[in-house]
Amino acid sequence: DSGVTQTPKHLITATGQRVTLRCSPRSGDLSVYWYQQSLDQGLQFLIQYYNGEERAKGNILERFSAQQFPDLHSELNLSSLELGDSALYFCASSEEKTYGDTQYFGPGTRLTVL
Amino acid sequence: DAKTTQPTSMDCAEGRAANLPCNHSTISGNEYVYWYRQIHSQGPQYIIHGLKNNETNEMASLIITEDRKSSTLILPHATLRDTAVYYCIVRVHGSGNTGKLIFGQGTTLQVKP
Repeated sequence: DSGVTQTPKHLITATGQRVTLRCSPRSGDLSVYWYQQSLDQGLQFLIQYYNGEERAKGNILERFSAQQFPDLHSELNLSSLELGDSALYFCASSEEKTYGDTQYFGPGTRLTVL
Repeated sequence: DAKTTQPTSMDCAEGRAANLPCNHSTISGNEYVYWYRQIHSQGPQYIIHGLKNNETNEMASLIITEDRKSSTLILPHATLRDTAVYYCIVRVHGSGNTGKLIFGQGTTLQVKP
């Protein structure tokens, strides 16, 4: 158990819909990362938040957005869903010390878009 | 793009040591070598990381060559539960650097009875 929690575990929805994925980081970790894992793209970095502020963006679609709240939990919002958005979504957290910031991953949310 | 090269797959007999190689010939002086594994579709699990010295923890050992262009992850006594995809990743530490992990295809390790 990494200490990172994600809800829900599974999500099934239809095209065009909007969903919200939630991540609670390990106690004391300030940074949250979101990754997407699809069959054809592998594990890809989407976005990083540090202490409530966006720090880095990766291959995140404009239909997707995220935020980190004062209690440090994070939400990833996916809208206008398409079939191709079906994937595993992982979040990871780290302390983000100056040196040494290992990321610990949650169990993931499996999104199926029908 | 991932800056590491790993074999696509490897087999190992249960109880034997599993040695997983990784090539990172373009590694920079401030880049660390990280290893993660992913069992089935679970979240990637951190194993170990190092800069230039060999490292050991309760899960594995990491051997980094002197020129730092390659490394080997060693699972000393592989069990069936070690069957997973193993990812070797290089990344920079330090504030101001995005900590994103760039995953390649990894090595699928199959531990056989």
